Order: sequence, then structure tokens, then C-alpha cells
Amino acid sequence: TQLLEQSPQFLSIQEGENLTVYCNSSSVFSSLQWYRQEPGEGPVLLVTVVTGGEVKKLKRLTFQFGDARKDSSLHITAAQPGDTGLYLCAGTPTSGTYKYIFGTGTRLKVLA
Amino acid sequence: DVKVTQSSRYLVKRTGEKVFLECVQDMDHENMFWYRQDPGLGLRLIYFSYDVKMKEKGDIPEGYSVSREKKERFSLILESASTNQTSMYLCASRPDWASNTGELFFGEGSRLTVL
Repeated sequence: TQLLEQSPQFLSIQEGENLTVYCNSSSVFSSLQWYRQEPGEGPVLLVTVVTGGEVKKLKRLTFQFGDARKDSSLHITAAQPGDTGLYLCAGTPTSGTYKYIFGTGTRLKVLA
Repeated sequence: DVKVTQSSRYLVKRTGEKVFLECVQDMDHENMFWYRQDPGLGLRLIYFSYDVKMKEKGDIPEGYSVSREKKERFSLILESASTNQTSMYLCASRPDWASNTGELFFGEGSRLTVL
């Protein structure tokens, strides 16, 4: 069974600080997605990375897919209270099934 | 605006009751999913439907069944609810052409409490 471990599980920081969330596995994925879930809502896709070593930027958010396609990171620069939420990574196995593998989640709280 | 709608946001049921969770999407997507979300466990797939009347078991199908009679509607059924089925249930959809890199569109979730 493929697993995705996210760290840290919880993060509480002050507005303006930087942070990095990690998503790690011993398995290779064909692609990896990051979702953000706000309280009372379903997850919403932030980005999909497909190529090993790929870096994508979305305003203050930077996403990286590991060279071996086994891990990924999300870096937020100058966090704002609006970044508060649950961040989930999701991998799609190379076997090409419909089974997305979701990470355990990182709950971020940004204090004003 | 694309939309996945889950009929009940909050439900409280008693042990042994039959529970129906309804999900409707307006995007003409072929693929629909039911996930269960529990703290520290991420999202776990209960069932997947790749088209009308077609379904595949996910990772935790025990105690659940599904129905997909129409393309836009995917129902999750708990035949006899138990306390360990207390959880947040999320429905999602995606177009078939998206294969495995496609975005999942989620509903707002149904929080079920079984007493």
C-alpha cells in the first residue's frame, strides 16, 4: 500500500513568517496534487506537479516535486491569515488507477 | 460555476439506522468518488464510480454500498450505521478524460454522527 506522510501535522505561526510543509513517500507517483481545505468546505485544488524536479509558483506559494517523484514540498512566503486551513497532498500511483493516495494533512493556523 | 452538492451537511443517526448520503454534480463528469475523512488519516476512498451503474470498491468499502442510477447523482448508503462510521464524508467528481492527473472537485462534506 502506498502511503504519503505529511509533516508537520500542525503549524501555528505569526503573520509574515515563512513555512514549509513536506509530503513524503517511499513510492513513486506519476503526479502529485496539493489541495487546501477551509473549515466547513471541501478540499480545493491548488496545483498539480507532474515532472520530477518541477517547481510551480502560485503567488506566495511554491510547490516542488522531488526528482525521484517520491516527495513534494509546499513553501509559503510571508504567510497571511487567509492561508489558514488544512493542506493535503495527493499522489496518483504509477499503476494508473483511480486511487489517489492522500496525505495525512497539515493543519496551518496563521495568527494576525 | 462548477458545483458538487451534498444534500446533508450534518446528520445525527442512531446505531442500526439506514443512512443515505446524496451527492449531485452539475459538470457532466463521468467519474465520482466517496471519501471518508478522519483526523490524522487523510482521505480514504470508500467507493468509486466510473460511469452510470458502474462502481469499484475503494480501500474501505466494508459497511457501505453505493448507487449510481444517473450520471449526475452518486449515493452512499450505510445499511446499518455503527458508531465507528461517525465521520466526515466527502463526495468528489472529475471528468473521465482527466485520467489520473485530473483535478477532483469536492462537495462541502456531510458530517455524520452515529449515536
